[in-house]
Amino acid sequence: EVQLVESGGGLVKPGGSLRLSCAASGFTFSSYSMNWVRQAPGKGLEWVSSISSSSSYIYYADSVKGRFTISRDNAKNSLYLQMNSLRAEDTAVYYCARVTVGATYIDYWGQGTLVTVSS
Amino acid sequence: QSALTQPASVSGSPGQSITISCTGTSSDVGSYNLVSWYQQHPGKAPKLMIYEGSKRPSGVSNRFSGSKSGNTASLTISGLQAEDEADYYCCSYAGSSTFVFGGGTKLTVL
Repeated sequence: EVQLVESGGGLVKPGGSLRLSCAASGFTFSSYSMNWVRQAPGKGLEWVSSISSSSSYIYYADSVKGRFTISRDNAKNSLYLQMNSLRAEDTAVYYCARVTVGATYIDYWGQGTLVTVSS
Repeated sequence: QSALTQPASVSGSPGQSITISCTGTSSDVGSYNLVSWYQQHPGKAPKLMIYEGSKRPSGVSNRFSGSKSGNTASLTISGLQAEDEADYYCCSYAGSSTFVFGGGTKLTVL
């Protein structure tokens, strides 16, 4: 069974930093591209970032480019999101999501971790 | 990276059919037959319902179907049931391993 478990969320002040982690199990993690998707309270889903299976290709939404860094450790079956210079508008539930082998859609989601940016 | 356009809400009675539209551009929905649809119940993670425009994952009811015409994709739910009440999001592949989501549609089963 595919499982994605996020951790690392919490309350942080504007301008602060936070590192999210996603522990993957139930599939060959090193074979799949992975994404982060976020959802602000009461709002819709927003694609944040993607990383290819070997970390060769990395992409970001314009809203986080230059502030967030996605990475992965295939030996540890883990995905990360380093978030710096956080703003109030970054407040959201952050989901770790697996992209299917063809890399054309997201097929599995974690349960999410809440990040709150507030003074 | 502009969000796809969905109606904010739709409603229907049990047994009826509803359709949710998802309008993008020639750079996303129009360029690829790679629209996926997700169902999200309150406080839960999204669940894949339709992928690559019209394909259903194993375990998803055949009451859910997808289609596309030009820059607009659609999700149709037939034989509405109470448990279908949820938020629905479309998502399009937008090239270079990026994705764009719709704003979401709240489905109310009357």
